[in-house]
Amino acid sequence: KNEVEQSPQNLTAQEGEFITINCSYSVGISALHWLQQHPGGGIVSLFMLSSGKKKHGRLIATINIQEKHSSLHITASHPRDSAVYICAVRRRIIQGAQKLVFGQGTRLTINP
Amino acid sequence: DTEVTQTPKHLVMGMTNKKSLKCEQHMGHRAMYWYKQKAKKPPELMFVYSYEKLSINESVPSRFSPECPNSSLLNLHLHALQPEDSALYLCASSRPFGGGGAVTDTQYFGPGTRLTVL
Repeated sequence: KNEVEQSPQNLTAQEGEFITINCSYSVGISALHWLQQHPGGGIVSLFMLSSGKKKHGRLIATINIQEKHSSLHITASHPRDSAVYICAVRRRIIQGAQKLVFGQGTRLTINP
Repeated sequence: DTEVTQTPKHLVMGMTNKKSLKCEQHMGHRAMYWYKQKAKKPPELMFVYSYEKLSINESVPSRFSPECPNSSLLNLHLHALQPEDSALYLCASSRPFGGGGAVTDTQYFGPGTRLTVL
């Protein structure tokens, strides 16, 4: 079993729909990241959470440390939101550096 | 400037070639990372440098040789690679804890180098 599990693996929705992607982890963490990767490679960090909730534009991320669970929500989804969304947990810090453990990613497709 | 740059964008090499990937950032980050990503898989950590010293090597074969010549630059030297090493190689950086960094800091990723080994 992976340390970080995401669901669903694939998600197709219509433009305007409310999207939820879930992430569960089984280990102690210091922080959780939500990342976005478009076709072609580049990864963009959307959120870094250690507690509570964060909002940026149409994106909302929440984390429940006790339940070891995080969700990423997209409101009023748009075709440009189509990408792979990756949950990554920060496992430990060695000599000041982060070690991230990644989920398998959720491939989101928003149809017009 | 919150950019991590990587060169080249694409690289095709034979199994006997020697090549290098380059990563650069000017955000003052003293932690830098190399990741390997196969198609439809998440990134896998390869190496971590902290304050220009190698702090994590995730049991990477010796045909991959990292180098951090200064605080802005990270190289990955490639030699005698195998076709299965074909992948997207991503570089990232972050502020290190104890060096001005905080729990709220994130990693910044470069666009990657897509490597094909023939």
